[in-house]
Amino acid sequence: EVQVLESGGDLVQPGGSLRLSCTGSGFTFGNYGMSWVRQAPGKGLEWVSTISGGFDGAYYADSVKGRFTISRDNSAKTMFLEMNSLRVEDTAIYYCAKMGSQKDFDYWGQGTLVSVSS
Amino acid sequence: QSALTQPPSASGSPGQSVTITCNGVGGDVGGYMFVSWYQHRPGKAPKILIYGVDKRPSRVPPRFSGSISGNTASLTVSGLQAEDEAVYYCGSYAGTNNPWVFGGGTKLTVL
Repeated sequence: EVQVLESGGDLVQPGGSLRLSCTGSGFTFGNYGMSWVRQAPGKGLEWVSTISGGFDGAYYADSVKGRFTISRDNSAKTMFLEMNSLRVEDTAIYYCAKMGSQKDFDYWGQGTLVSVSS
Repeated sequence: QSALTQPPSASGSPGQSVTITCNGVGGDVGGYMFVSWYQHRPGKAPKILIYGVDKRPSRVPPRFSGSISGNTASLTVSGLQAEDEAVYYCGSYAGTNNPWVFGGGTKLTVL
């Protein structure tokens, strides 16, 4: 059974940093792109970042470019999101998602909550 | 990639069919239309319903179907059930510059 599980969400002050992790199981992790998608309170889904399976591409939404860094360790079946210079508007549930064959998000985790507040 | 526009709400009675639209999907990329649909219940993980415009994962009931006309994609839910109450999002990929975007979501109510 394919599963992805996020961790690392926390309460952090504006300007602070946080590192999220996402572990995959039930599939050959290194063969698939992986993504982060977030949902701010009362808002819809917002794509944040995607990393290809073969390390040949990392993509970011304009809202996080230059502040967030996506990476992965295929041997540990884990993806990371390093978040720096956090802003109040980064407050959201952050979901990890496995990429499907048609640029879609075919399996999602339960999410981890990031709260940015003083 | 401009935002995708969905109606904020939709409703139907059990057994009826409902169609949710998604306007503004980009032109094809390399000959493919990368449009997908997701169901999101409160407190749950989002779940894929449709990918590649009209393809359905085997774990998704055939009551869910996707289509496209011009730059408007559609999700049809047939034989509405109470468990279909959720927020539905369309998503689209349009190339390497800010590549993925979601619609604002449509809250489906089963009357």
